[in-house]
Amino acid sequence: GAVVSQHPSWVICKSGTSVKIECRSLDFQATTMFWYRQFPKQSLMLMATSNEGSKATYEQGVEKDKFLINHASLTLSTLTVTSAHPEDSSFYICSARGIGPVEGTDTQYFGPGTRLTVL
Amino acid sequence: AQSVSQHNHHVILSEAASLELGCNYSYGGTVNLFWYVQYPGQHLQLLLKYFSGDPLVKGIKGFEAEFIKSKFSFNLRKPSVQWSDTAEYFCAVNANTNAGKSTFGDGTTLTVKP
Repeated sequence: GAVVSQHPSWVICKSGTSVKIECRSLDFQATTMFWYRQFPKQSLMLMATSNEGSKATYEQGVEKDKFLINHASLTLSTLTVTSAHPEDSSFYICSARGIGPVEGTDTQYFGPGTRLTVL
Repeated sequence: AQSVSQHNHHVILSEAASLELGCNYSYGGTVNLFWYVQYPGQHLQLLLKYFSGDPLVKGIKGFEAEFIKSKFSFNLRKPSVQWSDTAEYFCAVNANTNAGKSTFGDGTTLTVKP
């Protein structure tokens, strides 16, 4: 299947700082990228959807000024958690949708996730 | 709005037992359905998907799922589980009209005892 990478895989930061997480589709072009948040023992909650070159669409209850999403190209999207606080600690997962090199069909592929811990 | 319900939160089975995990969704229109697996410490992987056609879908690692439209269900099955199937399983649905946004169920933790 297609490969989606995330960087960093884990990050620890102080309260009040900003953290940027990168999501890359390595072997296909992603028409759409999604950002999810997963709390321990819980399901994935969609935060936002982004298409290359346009503003992200945020789900209800997600602060767009706090979670900045930039989708600069068909293979890169970034999520910046601004002025992070301990309650932002979570597992952030990106997903890229596109035609994978093996499947040849429009499929959603998930990255490995980034664990953010805010002290 | 679409929603997904997974009835079993934690399932414990012995090796070679048969598995069925329930998944029901609510949405009135045409949907695409997915099952994902998340092994301990790993990221989500697609097990199988249904877009159209034969409602019995076969996926990787011997898993299959059956879409029953009248019941709004997409249950996951495997005739004989292995210890390596221990993982978290998520059912997901997206409607054709919502740009591919998937809604996930709460997940089912499967523990297979050797």
